[in-house]
Amino acid sequence: DAGVIQSPRHEVTEMGQEVTLRCKPISGHNSLFWYRQTMMRGLELLIYFNNNVPIDDSGMPEDRFSAKMPNASFSTLKIQPSEPRDSAVYFCASSFRRTTNEKLFFGSGTQLSVL
Amino acid sequence: AQTVTQSQPEMSVQEAETVTLSCTYDTSESDYYLFWYKQPPSRQMILVIRQEAYKQQNATENRFSVNFQKAAKSFSLKISDSQLGDAAMYFCAYRSADGATNKLIFGTGTLLAVQP
Repeated sequence: DAGVIQSPRHEVTEMGQEVTLRCKPISGHNSLFWYRQTMMRGLELLIYFNNNVPIDDSGMPEDRFSAKMPNASFSTLKIQPSEPRDSAVYFCASSFRRTTNEKLFFGSGTQLSVL
Repeated sequence: AQTVTQSQPEMSVQEAETVTLSCTYDTSESDYYLFWYKQPPSRQMILVIRQEAYKQQNATENRFSVNFQKAAKSFSLKISDSQLGDAAMYFCAYRSADGATNKLIFGTGTLLAVQP
């Protein structure tokens, strides 16, 4: 398996523009997580899905952020409109939730810069 | 809600020496898992070591070991015989074992530099 695939790897955009980050989880995994990494706050969980259903979105900063998982093999994180403070590395991760002895697999992240 | 705290933003160690990274957490649960992840400059997240809270024995993985103090809610990582390749950001993480949630909660990280 190719692992968790995120695109793009880097994204540079201007304030006010819409940004869409994409994630393809590992085939067969039924849990998907979106994290945001900044120097000040470390890795923050934004939202996670089990079986394509959003379970906990309490980490989503505000209404400008939205996430979808239309099927088991694809998820998007959208920021509209983007602001400079959204600049961060965004990680997607997936796991197979069968027992609590599950391992989390991370993608390589998307470095977002909002100018 | 559970929280994870890493109070050392940066640490430095000489090659071949030993270094300990600190992590404390707050939870009201009795059963949970604790993890240390390594993130090198490539941004890849690598699982270093994992500890089940119900196990009293500290986990070890080659040069990496933990000091798990459940009563103190402390989970430090010791790296022995430090190597240049150990230079990275290290994250401590917590996950509940109750089955109701499978999310990982991370600390803010410790950036480890290894001096030749």
